[in-house]
Amino acid sequence: AQTVTQSQPEMSVQEAETVTLSCTYDTSESDYYLFWYKQPPSRQMILVIRQEAYKQQNATENRFSVNFQKAAKSFSLKISDSQLGDAAMYFCAYRSARNNNDMRFGAGTRLTVKP
Amino acid sequence: KAGVTQTPRYLIKTRGQQVTLSCSPISGHRSVSWYQQTPGQGLQFLFEYFSETQRNKGNFPGRFSGRQFSNSRSEMNVSTLELGDSALYLCASSLDGGSGYKQFFGPGTRLTVL
Repeated sequence: AQTVTQSQPEMSVQEAETVTLSCTYDTSESDYYLFWYKQPPSRQMILVIRQEAYKQQNATENRFSVNFQKAAKSFSLKISDSQLGDAAMYFCAYRSARNNNDMRFGAGTRLTVKP
Repeated sequence: KAGVTQTPRYLIKTRGQQVTLSCSPISGHRSVSWYQQTPGQGLQFLFEYFSETQRNKGNFPGRFSGRQFSNSRSEMNVSTLELGDSALYLCASSLDGGSGYKQFFGPGTRLTVL
């Protein structure tokens, strides 16, 4: 079964600085999707970024980018120019490309942004 | 477009009762997935519905069930509630059920079982 591991329960970053959140996953499949979701204190989960495993190019969304290392099964999230509004729980998630597979989430990393 | 809505937002029940939660997906979205979020177990997949059919189910007991209507709205039912069912229940919709499609989450329903 696929598992997702986020080894950093908590991270802290200074406003305007850069922070990297780690995520590793275990799978025997070659085709899948990886996601980072953000869950602010208001609790609404928001998709931050998505990566297709068949793409070598790392996904980027404004200040958010990923470092996808398929062989190492690693999928880290880099947040540049951190803002106070980035403070939230961040979840890494995996979903098989086979039909109808469920989404597997990591335990989450709580990010604090210091002014 | 309006986002995913869930009702009610908060619910308090007692052990043994049953509960029904509702989820209205984004207009045009045909896939609805349900997740349970607890401090101990994290986020766990419950089930996914697409065009009124359950396409996938997570590892939860039969007390957890759901359905989807022709307008894509979905309901989740939990019978014979247990204390451990206290959780935030999240619903997510996507345009299609394909794995790569982005899921948009609702605000959740906070269920407390006393």
